[in-house]
Amino acid sequence: AQTVTQSQPEMSVQEAETVTLSCTYDTSESDYYLFWYKQPPSRQMILVIRQEAYKQQNATENRFSVNFQKAAKSFSLKISDSQLGDAAMYFCAYPSGTYKYIFGTGTRLKVLA
Amino acid sequence: DTGVSQDPRHKITKRGQNVTFRCDPISEHNRLYWYRQTLGQGPEFLTYFQNEAQLEKSRLLSDRFSAERPKGSFSTLEIQRTEQGDSAMYLCASSLAASIHEQYFGPGTRLTVT
Repeated sequence: AQTVTQSQPEMSVQEAETVTLSCTYDTSESDYYLFWYKQPPSRQMILVIRQEAYKQQNATENRFSVNFQKAAKSFSLKISDSQLGDAAMYFCAYPSGTYKYIFGTGTRLKVLA
Repeated sequence: DTGVSQDPRHKITKRGQNVTFRCDPISEHNRLYWYRQTLGQGPEFLTYFQNEAQLEKSRLLSDRFSAERPKGSFSTLEIQRTEQGDSAMYLCASSLAASIHEQYFGPGTRLTVT
């Protein structure tokens, strides 16, 4: 069965510092996508970054980057120069088949001023 | 276009009552999804539409749940005879069939069953 695991329920980071959120997944597929979504308090979930499994290069979006280790089935999110607005729940997601997402349990990120 | 919208944002109901939620997807999106999110958990897939056809229902979707998407536009999710265990955030998302799976989420409807 396809699963997504986020082992860090909560993380804290000082403003302007760097933090890494972990995600592991299990799949027998060879070609797939992975996503990180951000859910701010009382606001809707938005896409942070996506990774295509067939691409060896790690995805980067401004201050957000991933460390994708396909063999280890690991997909961590690095946030550089953390800002107060980065405080949110972060979910790792794996699309099962062609449509439905399987989400991890999330990591609550606190940014300390 | 302002994104995916959901109505109502909050609903409090007594056990045993019926409730209906509405989702308006991004206008050109032909795929629509419903998820349920309980406290401290990630969203769990409930059901999926491509245009007006409901193509998959999760086993989480008991007989008390029904979803429709008439004319392939907005969708409704109805829960009959609500139970306290139905208390959750119900999320709607939409996407283009041709997109690389990126789903756009609405703000959710928070249901509280008392």
